[in-house]
Amino acid sequence: GQQVQQSPASLVLQEGENAELQCNFSSTATRLQWFYQHPGGRLVSLFYNPSGTKHTGRLTSTTVTNERRSSLHISSSQTTDSGTYFCAIDDTGYQNFYFGKGTSLTVIP
Amino acid sequence: NAGVIQTPRHKVTGKGQEATLWCEPISGHSAVFWYRQTIVQGLEFLTYFRNQAPIDDSGMPKERFSAQMPNQSHSTLKIQSTQPQDSAVYLCASSLTGKGERLFFGHGTKLSVL
Repeated sequence: GQQVQQSPASLVLQEGENAELQCNFSSTATRLQWFYQHPGGRLVSLFYNPSGTKHTGRLTSTTVTNERRSSLHISSSQTTDSGTYFCAIDDTGYQNFYFGKGTSLTVIP
Repeated sequence: NAGVIQTPRHKVTGKGQEATLWCEPISGHSAVFWYRQTIVQGLEFLTYFRNQAPIDDSGMPKERFSAQMPNQSHSTLKIQSTQPQDSAVYLCASSLTGKGERLFFGHGTKLSVL
């Protein structure tokens, strides 16, 4: 199955700083999603982005499929961005998503 | 739209007891997924239904775990003879067609096996 590596494992930022989260995967992915999970909360899909660049608000996701990597950029971080960000890959076509271990982000005021 | 609903939110069982977890997908979604989340293993895929039919159960422990989807409005995950290592948050997700689009997750059921 897929191997999904996320880096860094954890990140602490001052409010207003930018964050760059990385996701590397072992084989060509047909589908990729980024998720956010607040402590104790549900997983929320941020981006469904198998290739290219997508934006929503302060978030930008860029996936380069043939290089087997994706990134999530958070600009002007806020304390409410704190939580864990997961990258998930499906290469089977059956939507059996493999998740990375996540990046834990803490934004301090 | 209440989203994916999972019940109970918390369940405590004694070792050897049975646990049944319930999931109600978003109305109109035809695909339902079960995942397990622990600190050590992270998020692990368990099984997946599309139009109530089992599509992939490659992540299910074979002996004590079973999943059903008797109708389009709910799915159950049953764990027989629960063991302490089954303690985890069990997550249910649904998607519109199960053919490549966003997953919507429930809050999960936290299972604690004493």
